[in-house]
Amino acid sequence: AAGVIQSPRHLIKEKRETATLKCYPIPRHDTVYWYQQGPGQDPQFLISFYEKMQSDKGSIPDRFSAQQFSDYHSELNMSSLELGDSALYFCASSLQRREQFFGPGTRLTVL
Amino acid sequence: AQKVTQAQTEISVVEKEDVTLDCVYETRDTTYYLFWYKQPPSGELVFLIRRNSFDEQNEISGRYSWNFQKSTSSFNFTITASQVVDSAVYFCALSERTGGSNYKLTFGKGTLLTVNP
Repeated sequence: AAGVIQSPRHLIKEKRETATLKCYPIPRHDTVYWYQQGPGQDPQFLISFYEKMQSDKGSIPDRFSAQQFSDYHSELNMSSLELGDSALYFCASSLQRREQFFGPGTRLTVL
Repeated sequence: AQKVTQAQTEISVVEKEDVTLDCVYETRDTTYYLFWYKQPPSGELVFLIRRNSFDEQNEISGRYSWNFQKSTSSFNFTITASQVVDSAVYFCALSERTGGSNYKLTFGKGTLLTVNP
């Protein structure tokens, strides 16, 4: 069965640089979520999209933005990176109110 | 605001022991969903189960079982005859409706389960 695809799997950036993370949801899923998981922490909700429209924002810094494209893939753009942005970033997709299936995550390291 | 509490930070057992992971939640929603996810050392989040607030039937899937008790706002997870491959962090999560069909997840802090041979 198809799963959520995230790229890249690992990313190393310097402070103040920009990063773009990509997510390809499971086909026919209508909702995409982004979560951030710091070291030893639980995942924290950042933002979600339903049918390509932003539906909710969580604790997402103003330096971050995201969008969902016509083919349903989503991108999380992160600018002016800080050391504290180092984390595992998960994308998840779901069909309506059903369970969210998570991608393998992108491990971002900011040096 | 909703909240999920996993009081057990770490649990260590010996293989073949049974182990129960506790989860207590708070929500003002009358309709909600509860989930368990497994995060092995490789880092991915693996979906285990979803339970809606109107279905209090317990569920068993192989060595896994779940006990949902609305009266005590608990959704506990038991692994029977644990195996080394069960070693992982287990997260309990609660979904809150944010609009339309969206249900963002609020996670507990997770319980690190270590199963020793």
